[in-house]
Amino acid sequence: EDQVTQSPEALRLQEGESSSLNCSYTVSGLRGLFWYRQDPGKGPEFLFTLYSAGEEKEKERLKATLTKKESFLHITAPKPEDSATYLCAVQERNTGFQKLVFGTGTRLLVSP
Amino acid sequence: EPEVTQTPSHQVTQMGQEVILRCVPISNHLYFYWYRQILGQKVEFLVSFYNNEISEKSEIFDDQFSVERPDGSNFTLKIRSTKLEDSAMYFCASSDPGLAGSYEQYFGPGTRLTVT
Repeated sequence: EDQVTQSPEALRLQEGESSSLNCSYTVSGLRGLFWYRQDPGKGPEFLFTLYSAGEEKEKERLKATLTKKESFLHITAPKPEDSATYLCAVQERNTGFQKLVFGTGTRLLVSP
Repeated sequence: EPEVTQTPSHQVTQMGQEVILRCVPISNHLYFYWYRQILGQKVEFLVSFYNNEISEKSEIFDDQFSVERPDGSNFTLKIRSTKLEDSAMYFCASSDPGLAGSYEQYFGPGTRLTVT
C-alpha cells in the first residue's frame, strides 16, 4: 500500500529564515509526486509535480526536489504569506487509475 | 484562470438525510474526483470518474455514496443516508492527463458537511 510521511508536522520560522520540508514515500512505481499548499478551510492549491529522481522545480521562494525515496520542499527567505499547510501526495504508475495518496502535511508558520 | 467550483460551501444536515454535493470541474478536463478531509486529518481519496463511469473507488466509498455527471458541466456526490462520521470537508478535483502527460489534479474550495 502506498504511504506518504511528512515531517516535521509543524514548523515555525522567522521571516527570511530558510528551511526544508520532507516527504518520504513508499510506492510500487511512482508516476508522480505532487506538492500542494492548503490554507485553512480551503482546498489544496497545486504547486509542483515531480516525475523522476533528480528532477527539480522552482516557483518564487519554493523549490521542490525528488529522490527515489523522498522529496524536499525548500523555502528560501520565507515571508508571512507563505504560512500554510504544505501537502505531499503520490500517484502510482503501474495502474490506469489516478488517485492521489496524501501525507498529513506540514503546518508552516512564518512570523514577521 | 479556470477553476473548479463547488456548491454549497457549507451544508448542515440531520443524520439519515440525503445530501448532494455539487461541483463544476474545469471545462476541458476529463477526469473527476472526490476526496474528503475530516477535521485535522489527511485528505483521503473517495472516487474517480472518467467517461461516465467510476474508474476507481476507495473502501470509504460504500453503497451509501454515488456519483453522477448529470450534464456536460456538473459532477455530483450523493450520500444517501448521512451518518455523524460523514462530517468532513469534501473536495472535488479534476485533471486532464492529455495535456503533455501532466497528471496534476486541481481542487475546488470544498463543501463543509456537518451531520447533526
